[in-house]
Amino acid sequence: SAVISQKPSRDICQRGTSLTIQCQVDSQVTMMFWYRQQPGQSLTLIATANQGSEATYESGFVIDKFPISRPNLTFSTLTVSNMSPEDSSIYLCSVERGRQNTEAFFGQGTRLTVV
Amino acid sequence: DAKTTQPNSMESNEEEPVHLPCNHSTISGTDYIHWYRQLPSQGPEYVIHGLTSNVNNRMASLAIAEDRKSSTLILHRATLRDAAVYYCILRDVGGSNYKLTFGKGTLLTVNP
Repeated sequence: SAVISQKPSRDICQRGTSLTIQCQVDSQVTMMFWYRQQPGQSLTLIATANQGSEATYESGFVIDKFPISRPNLTFSTLTVSNMSPEDSSIYLCSVERGRQNTEAFFGQGTRLTVV
Repeated sequence: DAKTTQPNSMESNEEEPVHLPCNHSTISGTDYIHWYRQLPSQGPEYVIHGLTSNVNNRMASLAIAEDRKSSTLILHRATLRDAAVYYCILRDVGGSNYKLTFGKGTLLTVNP
């Protein structure tokens, strides 16, 4: 298993500001992902956080809006930049130990409200 | 990407079995069938996965049709804690479809 700590668990932010969300795993993992879950909706993959290189973004998500860092195999950050009310969502970190059909583990999420 | 179809919602009574269906008529030979569930105010958690044969674990059973175009997640004795959104996801970890793509899922309500 993998224990994931996400910080902050929730925040209320002013529009136009930025928030950085941290994801810390208790052991080294190969894959780290960031998801967004808008109110009442399912999860949407934002990007794959790659260690030592730029993240791989899904269609509709760009680095300028959601810069991601992954300095090592246990830690990643997602920044939500220049926020607007439409960014109000739950942001979740997910990890996997490898690509060989492994189980994904999810953090509890960060509930972001932009006012 | 291969897609899945699930009922929007289902209801069950506590201590009764629950059968959650999933259709995936365009499944490819290398797609695994994964199930995750999301309890209220929590991140998703893994339930079970399989390729062709039926699978059992401590949480549930997965019954896969012989043609693999459908599958059923079976909770043998539903508890109130099983109330969650259940997601059926196809995943080809050897190819480009290795990422978890969540659909709308099935909202399971468990009545006491």
